[in-house]
Amino acid sequence: QVQLQESGPGLVKPSETLSLTCTVSGGSISSASHYWGWILQPPGKGLEWIGSIYFSGTTYYNPSLKSRVTMSVDTSKYQFSLRLTSVSAADTAVYYCARLRRISSGYYVDYWGQGTLVTVSS
Amino acid sequence: SYELTQPPSVSASPGQTARITCSGDALPKQYAYWYQQKPGQAPVLLIYKDTERPSGIPERFSGSSSGTIVTLTISGVQAEDEADYYCQSTDSSGAYVAFGGGTKLTVL
Repeated sequence: QVQLQESGPGLVKPSETLSLTCTVSGGSISSASHYWGWILQPPGKGLEWIGSIYFSGTTYYNPSLKSRVTMSVDTSKYQFSLRLTSVSAADTAVYYCARLRRISSGYYVDYWGQGTLVTVSS
Repeated sequence: SYELTQPPSVSASPGQTARITCSGDALPKQYAYWYQQKPGQAPVLLIYKDTERPSGIPERFSGSSSGTIVTLTISGVQAEDEADYYCQSTDSSGAYVAFGGGTKLTVL
């Protein structure tokens, strides 16, 4: 059973950088069939895809966040990470890490982390 | 960026059928997926590849596709089905993920 666990600060100051790490267990982070991703959900609102990364380092980012997002993967530690720069109160959200299964074209989330609330406030 | 459109809310009485639609320009080419999310929990995959149901998902959940619209149908709605439902797909390139805005199902 694949498990994903987010870790990182729960409080970030405006204009600073949000950094989160997801640790993968129970499955290979170097799977050829999967991407790894981040999804955010502001309080009371819907899901928004932030981006996806392959074990090789190939990334795809949401165009609306692309200028502020960097994702990376460390296969030796079974971890992948998110950096979101210049945060504001609008970035306050539950951040989920996820495993995305690639099929023909497109992909879907087959495993989710439990989510971690990040609040942007001074 | 690519957009998927869902109705904000749907309601149904216990035992009735609830249908939630999701529209998007790339849906004729890309598969759609449906997730259920209950308060305080991570989403759960209900339907994949338009119509397939993962193991453990009750048969009352089904998916269908017609052109630019996909539909999640819940037959014989139960009180426990009250939740938010999200469709998800990718743009025509297959690289960029999109979620619908979500539909709140209220069981009357």
